[in-house]
Amino acid sequence: DQQVKQNSPSLSVQEGRISILNCDYTNSMFDYFLWYKKYPAEGPTFLISISSIKDKNEDGRFTVFLNKSAKHLSLHIVPSQPGDSAVYFCAATPYGGATNKLIFGTGTLLAVQP
Amino acid sequence: EAGVTQFPSHSVIEKGQTVTLRCDPISGHDNLYWYRRVMGKEIKFLLHFVKESKQDESGMPNNRFLAERTGGTYSTLKVQPAELEDSGVYFCASSQLSQPLHFGNGTRLTVT
Repeated sequence: DQQVKQNSPSLSVQEGRISILNCDYTNSMFDYFLWYKKYPAEGPTFLISISSIKDKNEDGRFTVFLNKSAKHLSLHIVPSQPGDSAVYFCAATPYGGATNKLIFGTGTLLAVQP
Repeated sequence: EAGVTQFPSHSVIEKGQTVTLRCDPISGHDNLYWYRRVMGKEIKFLLHFVKESKQDESGMPNNRFLAERTGGTYSTLKVQPAELEDSGVYFCASSQLSQPLHFGNGTRLTVT
């Protein structure tokens, strides 16, 4: 029973446009959410996070939006660059970020076309 | 600073054999985690060390898996005997306090 779902296995976007990656969760106890980026043959790297007390967090070209009532979060990348091509994992935890015992989604492969 | 190092990067073994994976966390990181990704699915938590103590091993699949962290430094994950369903990529990650995880590049285990 997957508690974190990324329903789009892949996404293709033109360079310079906006990439929107989506994530849904089922556990209402989740209160801290993270996005990780993974290149082939490498481990995931932390990208951005958001606490459930916020609905938006921004870091440069990356913005995460959280809709608690819909149990939905999204990652916006603008403008998208070819180097952003990677697998993006959404993750969640009910421990407020105090621990890194995370529940991950299955990932979305983003391809940014030059 | 050096990142999280995992060895080997790949391992191919036969069903019934034993394999030991090693992880060297970032120096000074008390928290060490093992995760596994099977067949392109989600990355799943296996266990969490704080220094040399197992804080949470609720994600360990069964008693064929044994993790240790000698002296609170490097960690090993032994699978004995290996089964076909143990194939996947095993990630080690470390962190300090509640900071985000730093992952290693993983060990790709194939059991034939």
